[in-house]
Amino acid sequence: SQTIHQWPATLVQPVGSPLSLECTVEGTSNPNLYWYRQAAGRGLQLLFYSVGIGQISSEVPQNLSASRPQDRQFILSSKKLLLSDSGFYLCAWNRDRGPYEQYFGPGTRLTVT
Amino acid sequence: AQSVTQLDSHVSVSEGTPVLLRCNYSSSYSPSLFWYVQHPNKGLQLLLKYTSAATLVKGINGFEAEFKKSETSFHLTKPSAHMSDAAEYFCVVSENSGYSTLTFGKGTMLLVSP
Repeated sequence: SQTIHQWPATLVQPVGSPLSLECTVEGTSNPNLYWYRQAAGRGLQLLFYSVGIGQISSEVPQNLSASRPQDRQFILSSKKLLLSDSGFYLCAWNRDRGPYEQYFGPGTRLTVT
Repeated sequence: AQSVTQLDSHVSVSEGTPVLLRCNYSSSYSPSLFWYVQHPNKGLQLLLKYTSAATLVKGINGFEAEFKKSETSFHLTKPSAHMSDAAEYFCVVSENSGYSTLTFGKGTMLLVSP
């Protein structure tokens, strides 16, 4: 069976510090990978998605970036965090064939102070 | 373009009474539809999915949903609410056109009182 991991589970960082969140998927190959942010009262926002190693598409311009150094690893980064980066970050994966349901990781709670 | 409207931001029920969470969708294609549940500070869990095989879809934890094309609806129901059902529920649509991203509703918070 497939499993998706995210770490860390919680993170408190000062404004201007760097960020690295990691997501890995087990039990499947060549998944589509996604990063979402969920801010209080604002629903789920798609940040990045990737259909293969080194292939990243950005949905929202911001000070965040994503990378996919390995087939089942997806990393979300920032060089300098802003207060507005606070939120709940979710990684997800799905197969490259229908019906395209996505499977979510446990999430990372990021608080920028 | 596709869209999802969850008609209620909050629904309150008593334990043991039926649950109805309403969802309407708009899609240019024959869509796939999903319901997810999210408990506080947890990831989203897939409850059920509609993929055109059957209009009445049964999911986990006693939930089910009925796809009604004429009404463009995909409402989620459960005959008897349990305290552990208290969570946020998201209705989601996928257009199934090659690589596809999902469109999420804004969510419905289900409150269950004893």
